[in-house]
This record gives sequence, C-alpha cells and structure tokens, in this order.
Amino acid sequence: DVQMTQSPFSLSASIGDTVTITCRTSQNIRRYVNWYQQKPGKAPKLLIYAASNLKGDVPSRFSGSGSGTDFTLTISSLQPEDFATYYCQQSYITPPWTFGQGTKVEVK
Amino acid sequence: QVQLVQSGPEVKKPGASVKVSCKTSGYRFTGNYLHWVRQAPGQGLEWMGWINPYSGDRKIAQKFQGRVTLTRDTSISTAYMELRSLKSDDAAVYYCARGRGDKGWFDPWGQGTLVTVSS
Repeated sequence: DVQMTQSPFSLSASIGDTVTITCRTSQNIRRYVNWYQQKPGKAPKLLIYAASNLKGDVPSRFSGSGSGTDFTLTISSLQPEDFATYYCQQSYITPPWTFGQGTKVEVK
Repeated sequence: QVQLVQSGPEVKKPGASVKVSCKTSGYRFTGNYLHWVRQAPGQGLEWMGWINPYSGDRKIAQKFQGRVTLTRDTSISTAYMELRSLKSDDAAVYYCARGRGDKGWFDPWGQGTLVTVSS
C-alpha cells in the first residue's frame, strides 16, 4: 500500500497568513493526489484533485502542487472559514485509496 | 445537484451486524463507483471498499474482507454497506462517496452515519 505522510500534524495560524501543508508518498504516484477539507462533525469536502486542479466552487486562495512523491497544499490569506483539518489522498496505486493522517489548522 | 444521503445513526452490540444505506440523486447512479470510508473518533480516514453500481462488481480492502458486503439497488439509486461481527473498534462514522474516474477523487461525500458499538 502507498503510505501517505502528511506534515505538520497541526499548525497554528492567524487570519491573513499563508499556510503550507505537505504530503509525501512512499511510491511515485505521478500527480494522483487529492486534497480534502473536513470541519468538525462534517464530511470531507474535495478541494483539489490531481495535484493542482481546483474544484469549481473552491476559493482561489487554495492551491496545490507537486508530482511524484512530494505534494503541497497552500492556503493564501487564511480566512476564518479555513480553520479545519486537511487530508491528502492518493488515487494512483489502488486499491486501497490511502489518506494522510490529516493536518489540523487552528487559530493562533 | 449531486447528493448522497445516508441512513441514520446506529447503536449495535458487539457481534452484531450493521447495514448503512447511501441514497444518491442528481446524477446517473450507474455512472460512477461508490466508495465507503470510515473514520474512528478523532482519527483519520480509512478506505473500506468500492462498488460499481452498473455491474455490481466490488472490491473490499483486505482488512475488511469477510466482514463487509457492498450491494446496490439500481431501482432506487441506493448503495449499501453491511459490516458484520462488530467489535468495539468498529465504532466510527461511515461515509459513502462518489468516485470520479478509475484513478479519481471522491466527490461528493454523504453526510456520514455514526455507528456506536456498545454492550
């Protein structure tokens, strides 16, 4: 199975900050990484698919990059509604589809 | 719009079975795989399996083989996940999610079904 190592586990940030979350995979998965946002008590929501493609209704302050084994999710100018947990997922070497451990973005 | 609506919370005893439903609307049910993912309290996301609503083919994660059955009823655009021989560590929120493509992402997700396992 492809292991997904996300970092950091959590981070504290302020409104307006730029936040970067990284995801490293144990095998080359080309660009088949997807990013999800999850708020407490809610289902995950897709933000970015195939490493860098923003889902249509997602604000442009979210962006993704990377290929191979190293991927990044960046949130520019953090907004109050962005405090949540973020997960990466690989969808190239499947099954299984595997997820990172999650990164919790908290208010500083 | 595309919606996945899951059945309500369940409380089960150890050793029992639970069956969760996922009713879809807003798209052609047989056109996309449906995945099942669970999340234990305070934990991350764990993929359990998928079903192809068109053919009925399914793939179950190795960890759950022998305990999970995925089915679907195309007449009502609904998929089901049954988990048997429940243990305390099966307590989790169970999600269905529409798969986009063979190597694709999950979008959207159902709202989740909380399964509590307690004697």
